Amino acid sequence: GAGVSQTPSNKVTEKGKYVELRCDPISGHTALYWYRQSLGQGPEFLIYFQGTGAADDSGLPNDRFFAVRPEGSVSTLKIQRTERGDSAVYLCASSSLAGGPTDTQYFGPGTRLTVL
Amino acid sequence: AQSVTQPDIHITVSEGASLELRCNYSYGATPYLFWYVQSPGQGLQLLLKYFSGDTLVQGIKGFEAEFKRSQSSFNLRKPSVHWSDAAEYFCAVSTGGFKTIFGAGTRLFVKA
Repeated sequence: GAGVSQTPSNKVTEKGKYVELRCDPISGHTALYWYRQSLGQGPEFLIYFQGTGAADDSGLPNDRFFAVRPEGSVSTLKIQRTERGDSAVYLCASSSLAGGPTDTQYFGPGTRLTVL
Repeated sequence: AQSVTQPDIHITVSEGASLELRCNYSYGATPYLFWYVQSPGQGLQLLLKYFSGDTLVQGIKGFEAEFKRSQSSFNLRKPSVHWSDAAEYFCAVSTGGFKTIFGAGTRLFVKA
């Protein structure tokens, strides 16, 4: 089937604006992850969902960042009052089982966010 | 805190030569270890993973990695590099929860 998809592929916004980034996981995958990858760095964990609930949101940098997964499939990462430092590639991944570390995470192509 | 160090920012090897990418981790217990590859325009792809058992693990595309507890290392190897292997490689560690910590990556260049 189809892999993880993310929309939009690119997003340019102005400082202070609100943005939403969408992730469509592989069908049937119960676990969903968001990561942020800044230029020249590895992905940085943001949040993990098991079903509809956020099981671990310890990676969200501050309260401007929020993510939801209301029906246990599609997830939206929301960023309020964007700052230039939020510019990065935001990656989504999903996995099929209980979401433990033994599960293979399948990554989407990412959304490149640029805050001017 | 757990951390992953990839000492080499970039490496250049000749096509057909062998490759070793270094990875060191910091964690008190036995971690779960991964290597991912990221090609331009492609998503991150899992090459291999180690959880327990045999410390030499085989992955896709002819890659292998060896877990050495005494050195806190998990180096990635390939006996003969192909031009298509040029990409960014990330070592990662998970400590039993759901959070995966990635290294900063090593960019591999392959010369003809």
